[in-house]
Amino acid sequence: EVQLVESGGGLVQPGGSLRLSCAASGFTVSSNYMSWVRQAPGKGLEWVSVIYSGGITYYADSVKGRFTISRDNSKNTLYLQMNSLRAEDTAVYYCARDSAGTPLIDYWGQGTLVTVSS
Amino acid sequence: QPVLTQSSSASASLGSSVKLTCTLSSGHSSYIIAWHQQQPGKAPRYLMKLEGSGSYNKGSGVPDRFSGSSSGADRYLTISNLQSEDEADYYCETWDSSTHEVFGGGTKLTVL
Repeated sequence: EVQLVESGGGLVQPGGSLRLSCAASGFTVSSNYMSWVRQAPGKGLEWVSVIYSGGITYYADSVKGRFTISRDNSKNTLYLQMNSLRAEDTAVYYCARDSAGTPLIDYWGQGTLVTVSS
Repeated sequence: QPVLTQSSSASASLGSSVKLTCTLSSGHSSYIIAWHQQQPGKAPRYLMKLEGSGSYNKGSGVPDRFSGSSSGADRYLTISNLQSEDEADYYCETWDSSTHEVFGGGTKLTVL
């Protein structure tokens, strides 16, 4: 059974940093495209970043240069390092697996809340 | 780059059917999309992948009441025999090599 479990969210001051983790089970992270998607309070879904099976990474313009996606193959875990956080980064962050073939999401984690506030 | 357009809200009666629409922007009418359901206070759940041909592939455990269809740039999600637990936000998603994953704005479905 595929499972994605996020952790690492919390309250952080503007300009601060946070690292989110997503522990995967039931499949191999390094064999799939893996994404982070966020949802600000009361808003819709916003794609944040993706890491391809080959290791190539891409970012939304809103986080480029501040966020870094990575994975630890030995731990089967996905990460999102978030630096220079802003109030507008406040959201629930979801880890997601992209399906084989067309890279659309076919599994979601339960999400972790990041609040950026002084 | 593709843009997905969804109505902000829809409503239908318990036990009836409803058809939600996701429209792809000009030049992207052949794109494959995915439908996701987000019940109040919960994480999104993958429902199905839907091709321009109308062929769809549902996720594990998705009830038979959920089906997909396509017409031109429009992608549809039909829910039959509406249940109270179907009251949720529904998002469509597509992918493009330049923009990567793109989501529609979501449709809030109310079951009357």
